[in-house]
Amino acid sequence: DTAVSQTPKYLVTQMGNDKSIKCEQNLGHDTMYWYKQDSKKFLKIMFSYNNKELIINETVPNRFSPKSPDKAHLNLHINSLELGDSAVYFCASSTSGRNYNEQFFGPGTRLTVL
Amino acid sequence: AQSVTQLGSHVSVSEGALVLLRCNYSSSVPPYLFWYVQYPNQGLQLLLKYTSAATLVKGINGFEAEFKKSETSFHLTKPSAHMSDAAEYFCAVSDPAGTALIFGKGTTLSVSS
Repeated sequence: DTAVSQTPKYLVTQMGNDKSIKCEQNLGHDTMYWYKQDSKKFLKIMFSYNNKELIINETVPNRFSPKSPDKAHLNLHINSLELGDSAVYFCASSTSGRNYNEQFFGPGTRLTVL
Repeated sequence: AQSVTQLGSHVSVSEGALVLLRCNYSSSVPPYLFWYVQYPNQGLQLLLKYTSAATLVKGINGFEAEFKKSETSFHLTKPSAHMSDAAEYFCAVSDPAGTALIFGKGTTLSVSS
């Protein structure tokens, strides 16, 4: 059973397009996250979200928006894609209220913008 | 602000040799620290975590790490490397609000036969 799943695994698209990446977790967690891993493998938080609060990394362009239809899902919508958006995007989840914040990661979505 | 520094972007060892991956942290509050491993084309898997209990933490696959407050370090070790240990290793600290993990830049571990 996959704990955190993402679709698609690979996404190739043209500049200017709008795309979405889906994330689902079956761990019963109430907090979900999106991270971006660049070409140098550096991981950076983009968003964290639970049913109470969305926390946005201020460096993330507003072309990126998380949407959560329910506690088990956090999708990432990206408008007007740019070349610099090419990266691997990871979804993660955890249980809120625990300061040690152990997070479980999905397999990643490799986005290539041409 | 919290931060993590991983010394050495690439570490190479022979099979059977000691693995030592270095991590130093900076934190304004008692930190919660993690080591994650990323195998090629996969997501991140938790190896071990420090949450202010024992300073020597044992994880999966024979890895362990020791929290040393005086040195602000949380180095990862394994007595004997296996070929299957070749991967990217990330040290991370939890931010004070518990809203995100702050990662180091990663260390690539290569294991030769």
